[in-house]
Amino acid sequence: DQQVKQNSPSLSVQEGRISILNCDYTNSMFDYFLWYKKYPAEGPTFLISISSIKDKNEDGRFTVFLNKSAKHLSLHIVPSQPGDSAVYFCAASARGGSNYKLTFGKGTLLTVNP
Amino acid sequence: GAGVSQSPSNKVTEKGKDVELRCDPISGHTALYWYRQSLGQGLEFLIYFQGNSAPDKSGLPSDRFSAERTGGSVSTLTIQRTQQEDSAVYLCASSLALAGTDTQYFGPGTRLTVL
Repeated sequence: DQQVKQNSPSLSVQEGRISILNCDYTNSMFDYFLWYKKYPAEGPTFLISISSIKDKNEDGRFTVFLNKSAKHLSLHIVPSQPGDSAVYFCAASARGGSNYKLTFGKGTLLTVNP
Repeated sequence: GAGVSQSPSNKVTEKGKDVELRCDPISGHTALYWYRQSLGQGLEFLIYFQGNSAPDKSGLPSDRFSAERTGGSVSTLTIQRTQQEDSAVYLCASSLALAGTDTQYFGPGTRLTVL
């Protein structure tokens, strides 16, 4: 049973527009969420995170929104740039004894067209 | 300094053979993780090492899989009697293991193909 779901395998947007990547989770014990970005032949790179005590975290062009009641988070990239084209993974962890374990979604391939 | 490095970058082996995958974490990082990503799937947690504590092996899919971390630094993941379903990208990550937020830094992975 997938505990972290990224239901869109791919997303295509025009340069300069907003990219919105979505993620849903089922485990109510998750309280820390991360987004990783992955280019081909490279390992995932940490992008941004959010704790469950917040509903928004912003870092430059990247903003993550968390809706705990809906068990949903989203990553907004604005404005999108061609260099943002990559696979984006949503990940979650539960605080407590095993908080190092990240549970990942399957990823969304973002293509930003010039 | 250097990031997490893994070797080999690619490994092709025959079913039934044993393979060893190596991970060099970032210097000073006390926590080390192994994940694997099968085709079309997300990353799947395999094992976690933290300092001198007993590793968390709860993600290892079978007893054919084992991992060691020598001297608190380099780690090797060993797969015995490989099967075709073991084909995947094996990713290693390390972190400072600080309390609270603790970013995991990933290596480029080893792509394992079992024929």
